[in-house]
Amino acid sequence: AQSVSQHNHHVILSEAASLELGCNYSYGGTVNLFWYVQYPGQHLQLLLKYFSGDPLVKGIKGFEAEFIKSKFSFNLRKPSVQWSDTAEYFCAGRANNNDMRFGAGTRLTVKP
Amino acid sequence: DGGITQSPKYLFRKEGQNVTLSCEQNLNHDAMYWYRQDPGQGLRLIYYSQIVNDFQKGDIAEGYSVSREKKESFPLTVTSAQKNPTAFYLCASSTTGTSPLAQYFGPGTRLTVL
Repeated sequence: AQSVSQHNHHVILSEAASLELGCNYSYGGTVNLFWYVQYPGQHLQLLLKYFSGDPLVKGIKGFEAEFIKSKFSFNLRKPSVQWSDTAEYFCAGRANNNDMRFGAGTRLTVKP
Repeated sequence: DGGITQSPKYLFRKEGQNVTLSCEQNLNHDAMYWYRQDPGQGLRLIYYSQIVNDFQKGDIAEGYSVSREKKESFPLTVTSAQKNPTAFYLCASSTTGTSPLAQYFGPGTRLTVL
């Protein structure tokens, strides 16, 4: 079955630290991958997406993610986090049937 | 403004009652989705619809029902058969096709069953 898994449930970092959140997917064939962010009390927002082409995808607010097909991974990265990055982050994937699957989410806490 | 609206924001119901959550979009999207969000479990897909008058079960459809009579609307009914209905419910929409765009999400409805 199609699924997306996130390894880290809660990550705590200090400001200016580098961030990497893991995401693995189990889809076969063509897959679209996404990272969403949910700031406290706000809607889910799209950070970035991968459909095809360059496996290194740049998103908003300095985030990027790398699609590594051989590892079935799509990890999210940011070189230097800020207190305002405190949020919950969700990885998601979709195959051709338009059926989107989300990971369990990773809560990021950035200490000022 | 284009977007997705969900109402109400908070909903309280007694155990054993059915309740219907509203979701409306004016983005002209063909596909609509319902998710349930529980702490530590992320978003789990309840139902989705790719076109009017058609919908498919997601991973946790038991105890829920939907309809898609209009493109703009995708209401979700939480029935008394749902064993643990208290949760945060999110509606989303997207385009469809070979290059689907990302989903757009509504603000959610928090349902509490007393």
